[in-house]
Amino acid sequence: QKEVEQDPGPLSVPEGAIVSLNCTYSNSAFQYFMWYRQYSRKGPELLMYTYSSGNKEDGRFTAQVDKSSKYISLFIRDSQPSDSATYLCAMIYFNKFYFGSGTKLNVKP
Amino acid sequence: NAGVTQTPKFQVLKTGQSMTLQCAQDMNHNSMYWYRQDPGMGLRLIYYSASEGTTDKGEVPNGYNVSRLNKREFSLRLESAAPSQTSVYFCASSSGPYTEAFFGQGTRLTVV
Repeated sequence: QKEVEQDPGPLSVPEGAIVSLNCTYSNSAFQYFMWYRQYSRKGPELLMYTYSSGNKEDGRFTAQVDKSSKYISLFIRDSQPSDSATYLCAMIYFNKFYFGSGTKLNVKP
Repeated sequence: NAGVTQTPKFQVLKTGQSMTLQCAQDMNHNSMYWYRQDPGMGLRLIYYSASEGTTDKGEVPNGYNVSRLNKREFSLRLESAAPSQTSVYFCASSSGPYTEAFFGQGTRLTVV
């Protein structure tokens, strides 16, 4: 079993829709969680960094962590064509990062 | 604000050739990482350096060597390139344990 599971998609939504991206993980020791956005042929860029359970909001983005279910989510409100990218979840344990395989999102104008 | 800089951006090698991928960060980060990214496989850790002077194997170290030249620079060497090493390589850095990683723009390597 992989440490982090993420549905690869692709996920296609109309502009303005609310998008929900999700990951599950197996290691209950994970406490630090991140979401990265990766545009085609570019490096991943950090979107959200959260600690432990709860919600964190930044503009149109909300990251949610449910440690009891080992489940994290990223919500994108009022999605835009510029949000079209691959989204990777990640967890840190000490000096190592554990990445999901990424969900490809396409927001249609 | 350069962040993490990788060179070269593109490279084509013949099987058996060697090359070194260079990575430098200007954020005074302690930890540096090399990943490869293949379709459907996500990011896989090749080697990492938790601090200057230390290096450790990751998930897929075979066929690679690394050097942490100083705090800023972390290089990845392919001694005898194989077609299976065709991939996009990313360098990343973080300030320490439990802190977020920042990535370079990648090196697209093709081995023919």
